[in-house]
Amino acid sequence: DIQMTQSPSSLSASVGDRVTITCQASQDISNYLNWYQQKPGKAPKLLIYDASNLETGVPSRFSGSGSGTDFTFTISSLQPEDIATYYCQQYDNLPPITFGGGTKVEIK
Amino acid sequence: EVQLVESGGGLVKPGRSLRLSCTASGFTFGDYAMSWFRQAPGKGLEWVGFIRSKAYGGTTEYAASVKGRFTISRDDSKSIAYLQMNSLKTEDTAVYYCTRAPREVYWGQGTLVTVSS
Repeated sequence: DIQMTQSPSSLSASVGDRVTITCQASQDISNYLNWYQQKPGKAPKLLIYDASNLETGVPSRFSGSGSGTDFTFTISSLQPEDIATYYCQQYDNLPPITFGGGTKVEIK
Repeated sequence: EVQLVESGGGLVKPGRSLRLSCTASGFTFGDYAMSWFRQAPGKGLEWVGFIRSKAYGGTTEYAASVKGRFTISRDDSKSIAYLQMNSLKTEDTAVYYCTRAPREVYWGQGTLVTVSS
């Protein structure tokens, strides 16, 4: 199974800061990677698909990059409503679909 | 508007069975694969399995942790996907979500399954 190593597990940043989360796959997954946002008590929300494509309706301050084994998710200017846990998910060579461990983003 | 509504969760004893339903609307259900995910309390997301559309054979895939105990099926005439869970264990306690696949944009609100004696 492909393992997804996501870091950091949590971070605290100020409003307006640039926030970066990384995800490393245990093997080449091309660009078969999604990024999700999950707020407490809610279902996950797809933000980025195929590593770098912004889902419809998602603010442009969210972006993703990378291919192969190394991926990056960025919030260019952190907003109070971005407080959530973010997950990467790979869907190459399934089954199984696997997730990173999550990154909890808080406001400093 | 695409909507997915899970139902059937509840409290069940270890070793017993439970069937979850995912009722879909707002799209042609039979054209899509459907997936199930779960999230244990305070933990991360875990893929449970999926069922392909009939056009792709209607076949299923499962996570190793549930294979042989859980079965996903679908009734395209009713736009419902099912997750039959047998031989439940305490570690199956989680919120269970259904999604439309691929590219899981649409999720249900989730249904809580608690396995406890």
